[in-house]
Amino acid sequence: DQQVKQNSPSLSVQEGRISILNCDYTNSMFDYFLWYKKYPAEGPTFLISISSIKDKNEDGRFTVFLNKSAKHLSLHIVPSQPGDSAVYFCAASAIRAGGTSYGKLTFGQGTILTVHP
Amino acid sequence: NAGVTQTPKFQVLKTGQSMTLQCAQDMNHNSMYWYRQDPGMGLRLIYYSASEGTTDKGEVPNGYNVSRLNKREFSLRLESAAPSQTSVYFCASTLQGRNTEAFFGQGTRLTVV
Repeated sequence: DQQVKQNSPSLSVQEGRISILNCDYTNSMFDYFLWYKKYPAEGPTFLISISSIKDKNEDGRFTVFLNKSAKHLSLHIVPSQPGDSAVYFCAASAIRAGGTSYGKLTFGQGTILTVHP
Repeated sequence: NAGVTQTPKFQVLKTGQSMTLQCAQDMNHNSMYWYRQDPGMGLRLIYYSASEGTTDKGEVPNGYNVSRLNKREFSLRLESAAPSQTSVYFCASTLQGRNTEAFFGQGTRLTVV
């Protein structure tokens, strides 16, 4: 049972345009969401996160939107650059009873983003 | 500052062989994790250690054992490797507490033939 889903295996955009990557989740206990970027032969690197008490978080060209009622989040990259070409993973965690998550993450399948010059 | 270091980077095993994947972090993080990545599956948690001296099963623990040797090191052992354990393995660490991101190593690509 996939609790975090990225239904688009791949996305192709032109340099300078907006990239929108989507993620859906089913577990209502998830309350912290993260996006990771992964290049071939490297480990995932943290990109941006959002807590469930917010609906938007922005960091430079990257913005994450959270719609809790729809259990949906999205990552917007504006403007897209060729160096953004990578696999993007959505991840979620749930706070354990007592208020500590220990950082256990549930990942989506990933979306391959290709930005063409 | 190396972050999270995994060894080896590549390994080929025969079915039934054993091996240990090593992981060390130099960020003074409390919690450490082992994930595996398979095509179309994302990353799945194998085992984690919330703090030194504790370990717990994740989503896919069967066939694996772990040891939290000290605060810096967390190893993953395959006692009798199977072809289904062919995967890319990632170690990660976090500060303990609410809403902290995980830092990942560069991965170990394991092939079991």
